[in-house]
Amino acid sequence: AQTVTQSQPEMSVQEAETVTLSCTYDTSESDYYLFWYKQPPSRQMILVIRQEAYKQQNATENRFSVNFQKAAKSFSLKISDSQLGDAAMYFCAYRREGAGSYQLTFGKGTKLSVIP
Amino acid sequence: AAGVIQSPRHLIKEKRETATLKCYPIPRHDTVYWYQQGPGQDPQFLISFYEKMQSDKGSIPDRFSAQQFSDYHSELNMSSLELGDSALYFCASSLGRHNEQFFGPGTRLTVL
Repeated sequence: AQTVTQSQPEMSVQEAETVTLSCTYDTSESDYYLFWYKQPPSRQMILVIRQEAYKQQNATENRFSVNFQKAAKSFSLKISDSQLGDAAMYFCAYRREGAGSYQLTFGKGTKLSVIP
Repeated sequence: AAGVIQSPRHLIKEKRETATLKCYPIPRHDTVYWYQQGPGQDPQFLISFYEKMQSDKGSIPDRFSAQQFSDYHSELNMSSLELGDSALYFCASSLGRHNEQFFGPGTRLTVL
């Protein structure tokens, strides 16, 4: 079974600074997707960024970028120019590709605080 | 753009009662997923449907059942409710099983 590990239960960052959230995963599959979801106090699950495992290029979405290291099974999220609205719980998630189930497997989450 | 709709948004039940949660996917989406997020926990997959057929099953208790109807909406039926069933229940939908899942706002179930 696939597992996703987020080793940082809580992180904090100064406004306008950069922060990196860590995620590692374990899978025997070669084809899969990785995601970062943001869950603000409203509890809505918001997709921040996604990465296809077959793509070597790291995904970027405005101030959000990932460092995907397939061999190391590592998938970290970098938030640049942090804003107060970035404060939330961040979940790393895995989804296999190919035949079979397509449910998301989540890590335990990292609570990010942004200090004004 | 239309989003996933879940109803009710909040539900309070007593132990041993029954609850029904509803999910209306984004128009034309044919796949629905249900997740349960306990307090301070990560979301856990319960069950999914593709084209009105159950496609996968996760950690769903036998007391729970679900189905997807001809209009693609889905209902999660929960019986003999226990205190531990108190959680946020998310529905997500996608166009095809391979594509991105869009989450609804969740239904917060409190069992007293």
